[in-house]
Amino acid sequence: AQKVTQAQTEISVVEKEDVTLDCVYETRDTTYYLFWYKQPPSGELVFLIRRNSFDEQNEISGRYSWNFQKSTSSFNFTITASQVVDSAVYFCALSEEKSGGGADGLTFGKGTHLIIQP
Amino acid sequence: SQTIHQWPATLVQPVGSPLSLECTVEGTSNPNLYWYRQAAGRGLQLLFYSVGIGQISSEVPQNLSASRPQDRQFILSSKKLLLSDSGFYLCAWSGRGTNYGYTFGSGTRLTVV
Repeated sequence: AQKVTQAQTEISVVEKEDVTLDCVYETRDTTYYLFWYKQPPSGELVFLIRRNSFDEQNEISGRYSWNFQKSTSSFNFTITASQVVDSAVYFCALSEEKSGGGADGLTFGKGTHLIIQP
Repeated sequence: SQTIHQWPATLVQPVGSPLSLECTVEGTSNPNLYWYRQAAGRGLQLLFYSVGIGQISSEVPQNLSASRPQDRQFILSSKKLLLSDSGFYLCAWSGRGTNYGYTFGSGTRLTVV
């Protein structure tokens, strides 16, 4: 069975600090997809990134970067020079490859509540 | 472009009353559809998913049911709500094939009183 662990329940940093959110996953499949979503106080889930299991290249998008390491089953997310608007709950999620694609849905971690203090 | 609509945004219902939450997707055909629930404490739990009209798979035994009467319509229902049904309900869709992602609706915040 697949599982996603976000050990950090809550992180609080001062604005402009860098912060890393950890994500560790478990799966028996060799083909799978990893995701990060942001959930602001309004509640909607905002898609940030999707990474497939064959692509271990790190990705950078502005102040956001992701470090995917299959050897440690981790997919960590770093925000550089954090801003107050980054305050939200962040979810890491896993989906396994199925015939026809995606039918079984996402398995989410419990989320990390990130608080950026001004 | 594809869009997903979910309503209502908030709902307060008494214990024992029925429930119907609706989700529709536009701009795509034959999507996979999902209902998730987020109870207090933030975890997101998959409740139901559907790969086609009339095809529903349940992940968790509960007081809820789902139906897919049309290709792009997904409905979450209950005959009698329990206090424990309170939570934030999110509908999502995904495409087919290997290059898919998941897009979520804006959610319904349900409070059972």
